[in-house]
Amino acid sequence: KAGVTQTPRYLIKTRGQQVTLSCSPISGHRSVSWYQQTPGQGLQFLFEYFSETQRNKGNFPGRFSGRQFSNSRSEMNVSTLELGDSALYLCASSLGHRDANTGELFFGEGSRLTVL
Amino acid sequence: GDSVTQMEGPVTLSEEAFLTINCTYTATGYPSLFWYVQYPGEGLQLLLKATKADDKGSNKGFEATYRKETTSFHLEKGSVQVSDSAVYFCALFSGGYNKLIFGAGTRLAVHP
Repeated sequence: KAGVTQTPRYLIKTRGQQVTLSCSPISGHRSVSWYQQTPGQGLQFLFEYFSETQRNKGNFPGRFSGRQFSNSRSEMNVSTLELGDSALYLCASSLGHRDANTGELFFGEGSRLTVL
Repeated sequence: GDSVTQMEGPVTLSEEAFLTINCTYTATGYPSLFWYVQYPGEGLQLLLKATKADDKGSNKGFEATYRKETTSFHLEKGSVQVSDSAVYFCALFSGGYNKLIFGAGTRLAVHP
C-alpha cells in the first residue's frame, strides 16, 4: 500500500513569489491535513480537508490556502512568499470520518521550501 | 489553550541504555495522547498512542502510560539501539478535525 506522497520534495523560491505543494493521500483516506515544521515554531497545524471541504484551520495568514480534489488529493498554496515561510511542509492523511477523527495520522516525507 | 511540553534535547545515550523522554500536557477534558517519531530525512510516524487515563501504549519496545493525575505521558525504552536515533514528538488530540498539538520534539542520539 503506497504511503502519502508529497511533491516536490525540495524547492527554492524568492520573496514575493508563490508556491503550490501537492499531496496524494493513502488510497482510501479521505482526510488530508497540512502542517508546517520550522526549527523555531516546531510543528504547527495549517488546515484539514475532508470531502473537498476545509473543516479546520490553524492560525496562519490568508496567504496560506489549500484545496482538496474529488480524488482526495490536496494542494496547498502560499502566495507572496516571505523569508519566514521557509519550512518543511508536511501532509498527513487519515481515513477520516464525517463527524470526528481519532488523531492518528499518516505523514508524508514533506516538501522542503527555501525562500531566498 | 491546549499545549504539550517536552524535555529539551538532545538526549545522548550509549547503546542498551535506558531511555526516558518526559512529556506533560495541558488540555481541557481528556485528550488522546501520541508519540510520533521522525527519522532523518523522513516524515513523522506514529510510534504509540493512548486514548484514556491509565492506558499504556507500546510499540517496538517503547512504552508510555497516560497519567491523568500528573498530566503526563512519558516515553520509555529499556534498551535503546543506534537505530532509535531520531526526533521524538509528544502530541495531543482533543477533538475536532485532525488538529494535533505537538511538543517541540526531543532529539535522541544513540552511540555504539
